[in-house]
Amino acid sequence: DQQVKQNSPSLSVQEGRISILNCDYTNSMFDYFLWYKKYPAEGPTFLISISSIKDKNEDGRFTVFLNKSAKHLSLHIVPSQPGDSAVYFCAASDTNSGNTPLVFGKGTRLSVIA
Amino acid sequence: GAGVSQSPRYKVAKRGQDVALRCDPISGHVSLFWYQQALGQGPEFLTYFQNEAQLDKSGLPSDRFFAERPEGSVSTLKIQRTQQEDSAVYLCASSLWVAAGNTIYFGEGSWLTVV
Repeated sequence: DQQVKQNSPSLSVQEGRISILNCDYTNSMFDYFLWYKKYPAEGPTFLISISSIKDKNEDGRFTVFLNKSAKHLSLHIVPSQPGDSAVYFCAASDTNSGNTPLVFGKGTRLSVIA
Repeated sequence: GAGVSQSPRYKVAKRGQDVALRCDPISGHVSLFWYQQALGQGPEFLTYFQNEAQLDKSGLPSDRFFAERPEGSVSTLKIQRTQQEDSAVYLCASSLWVAAGNTIYFGEGSWLTVV
């Protein structure tokens, strides 16, 4: 039973264009969401997060949008750069249920083509 | 060090061998997590420590898996009698305070191959 789903295993985008990575979740108790980026042979690195009290959080080229009614979030990268090519993981947690761990999706591999 | 440090980076074990994977969290971080990532999958939770207390071990796949953090800093994940299905990347992560609502920071992982 996957609580966090990233339905697109891969995405290719041209340099300079917008990359949109999607994530759906099933647990309505999740109220804190994060995106991690992973290069080959490295551990995931934190990218951006959003609390359920917001519907948007922006950090430079990266923006995360949260639609609570649809249980959907997305990560927008604009403009996309070749260095953004990596696997992106969506993660979620329920901050009201004690120290519950982050639950991860399976990841989306982004390729930014020069 | 500045980040989460894991050793060994790569380990090849023969089936039935015991292995021990070490994690040095970021200095001062209270919470420490172990995740398992199989090929093509996202990280799957194994266990969680707050200081030296193991508060959640619900993700450990069998009683062959054991984790400890005796002094609330370095942690060791031990896998006894390794099986081929144990082949994965084992990721350690830490966070400054409790898990909920906080960012966790990952190490580079220990890549285990059981042959």
